[in-house]
Amino acid sequence: GNSVTQMEGPVTLSEEAFLTINCTYTATGYPSLFWYVQYPGEGLQLLLKATKADDKGSNKGFEATYRKETTSFHLEKGSVQVSDSAVYFCALSKNSGYALNFGKGTSLLVTP
Amino acid sequence: ETGVTQTPRHLVMGMTNKKSLKCEQHLGHNAMYWYKQSAKKPLELMFVYNFKEQTENNSVPSRFSPECPNSSHLFLHLHTLQPEDSALYLCASSQLGQGKGYTFGSGTRLTVV
Repeated sequence: GNSVTQMEGPVTLSEEAFLTINCTYTATGYPSLFWYVQYPGEGLQLLLKATKADDKGSNKGFEATYRKETTSFHLEKGSVQVSDSAVYFCALSKNSGYALNFGKGTSLLVTP
Repeated sequence: ETGVTQTPRHLVMGMTNKKSLKCEQHLGHNAMYWYKQSAKKPLELMFVYNFKEQTENNSVPSRFSPECPNSSHLFLHLHTLQPEDSALYLCASSQLGQGKGYTFGSGTRLTVV
């Protein structure tokens, strides 16, 4: 079946450090890939997405590239801020807009 | 405001109580979902509704009963819950076929005592 594997957290970084959160997936065909973010006490918000191989999703300084050859969708940001502290979820959708499969989430803490 | 509104935000209920969670979406989406988020566990998909019809029930105990009276509203009726049902319950909606992912509500934090 379809599944997503994320690196275990928590990840703790100093402000302005480089961030990478790894995500790999298992799926047949060409799923759509997403990153969601959950700030404390809130629901999940869509951060970025990519719908085909080699697409790069980007938003708020975060980027992720859909790599079919390595079945990966790693999240990166060049310089994190304290306000980026949250839980990040990688997800895939085999059918367009339907049945998202989520990873377990990676908690990020950015310290001043 | 995300376009998906959940009420109440917090709920404490006894094991013999009956309560309902409400979700409303203002996005014109045609699919709605209930997820359960427990500490240190992956998000668990509970129920899926497409065009008001339930299309998925992921082995959820019968003490959770969903209702979708129209494409904008989704309820989760709760009765005789257990303490392990304490969690954040998230509602989401999407438009099938557009590949834009889900829009989530802020969730209801449920505590069963």
